[in-house]
Amino acid sequence: DIQLTQSPSSVSASVGDSVTITCRASQGISSWLAWYQQKPGKAPKLLIYAASSLQSGVPSRFSGSGSGTDFTLTISSLQPEDFATYYCQQANSFPNTFGQGTKLEIK
Amino acid sequence: EVQLLESGGGLVQPGGSLRLSCAASGFTFSSYGMSWVRQAPGKGLEWVSSISDSGSSTYYAGSEKGRFTISRDNSKNTLYLQMNSLRAEDTAVYYCAKKLGSGSYYYYFDFWGQGTLVTVSS
Repeated sequence: DIQLTQSPSSVSASVGDSVTITCRASQGISSWLAWYQQKPGKAPKLLIYAASSLQSGVPSRFSGSGSGTDFTLTISSLQPEDFATYYCQQANSFPNTFGQGTKLEIK
Repeated sequence: EVQLLESGGGLVQPGGSLRLSCAASGFTFSSYGMSWVRQAPGKGLEWVSSISDSGSSTYYAGSEKGRFTISRDNSKNTLYLQMNSLRAEDTAVYYCAKKLGSGSYYYYFDFWGQGTLVTVSS
């Protein structure tokens, strides 16, 4: 199975800051990676798919990049509603897998 | 508007069985793959199973293979997850999720239900 390792596990930032979260795959997955945002008690929300494609309706301050084994999610100019937990997910092969999550907290 | 409504969760004893349902509306159900993803209390997301649009292809996480069965009824716009031989570690909120786009092999999840809680305990 493909393992996904996110870093950091948690990060503190202020409104207006820029934040980058990393996801590393245990083997190459081309660009078959997605990013999700989850708020407490809510279902996850798709932000980015195919490593860098912005899902419809998602603000442009969210961006993704990478291919192979190393991927990043960048949130520029953080807004209060962005404080949440973020997960990466690989769609390259079954079993699909998720990273362990990165909690973004307000500083 | 896409809607996914899970049901069937509840309290079950270890070794017991449960069938989850996910009623879909707002899109052509028979054209999209569907999946189940779970989240144990306070933990991260875990992919459980996926099924193709026609139901002819199914995929499972290793720990669930042989115990869980995913299926769908396209005439009823409903996705199912039959769970047998349940263990305490199966305790989680179970989400159904719709695959982004039709026709491709790659499963991203663009719409999610609100989840149904399964608790395995004596």
